[in-house]
Amino acid sequence: GAGVSQTPSNKVTEKGKYVELRCDPISGHTALYWYRQSLGQGPEFLIYFQGTGAADDSGLPNDRFFAVRPEGSVSTLKIQRTERGDSAVYLCASSLRGQGPYEQYFGPGTRLTVT
Amino acid sequence: SQQGEEDPQALSIQEGENATMNCSYKTSINNLQWYRQNSGRGLVHLILIRSNEREKHSGRLRVTLDTSKKSSSLLITASRAADTASYFCATDKDTGRRALTFGSGTRLQVQP
Repeated sequence: GAGVSQTPSNKVTEKGKYVELRCDPISGHTALYWYRQSLGQGPEFLIYFQGTGAADDSGLPNDRFFAVRPEGSVSTLKIQRTERGDSAVYLCASSLRGQGPYEQYFGPGTRLTVT
Repeated sequence: SQQGEEDPQALSIQEGENATMNCSYKTSINNLQWYRQNSGRGLVHLILIRSNEREKHSGRLRVTLDTSKKSSSLLITASRAADTASYFCATDKDTGRRALTFGSGTRLQVQP
């Protein structure tokens, strides 16, 4: 596809459950980012991948959050033992490497609701 | 944490009028970008201005950057109802960190 895609678009889960959110970046984009956006706020950075490795994971709120990108393309954000405070829209973005400055292209997001 | 603040938080204007939104940030930056978001979902990149630039135009958009005041403004001229959205500024710090830091946004309503 032409843009960043994210699945599912909506996810409702019970407190304490495990969830996985998927991101497909734009083909050829080596950089991938995860952000989280709460209602009425701007997105907040979670983690950034350059290729397969997490170059910056300083935004992950705690060790319940983990993300992988094993082949340098698709990424999965994993949340263990979900809490109601994890409810938010999770946004994925990608950008080209080797060109700067780096415009980030965002997907439509996954709305996570923890009940 | 939010790097910047947009001002105003909400803005309502009539179609055809100009809309001006301001953004302030706290640390030295490499670049500043403006994004639009409809209905709380995906963000659309509008324009990027580098730290050594002072003004940039793209269609009906005009962005200014004042690094001495750590502030930027986005002007949308001849607004349309379709411009109704939330607008965010985002910065990447001059430490080389790629992550964008967003402000809290301005919610623009353009009345037809």
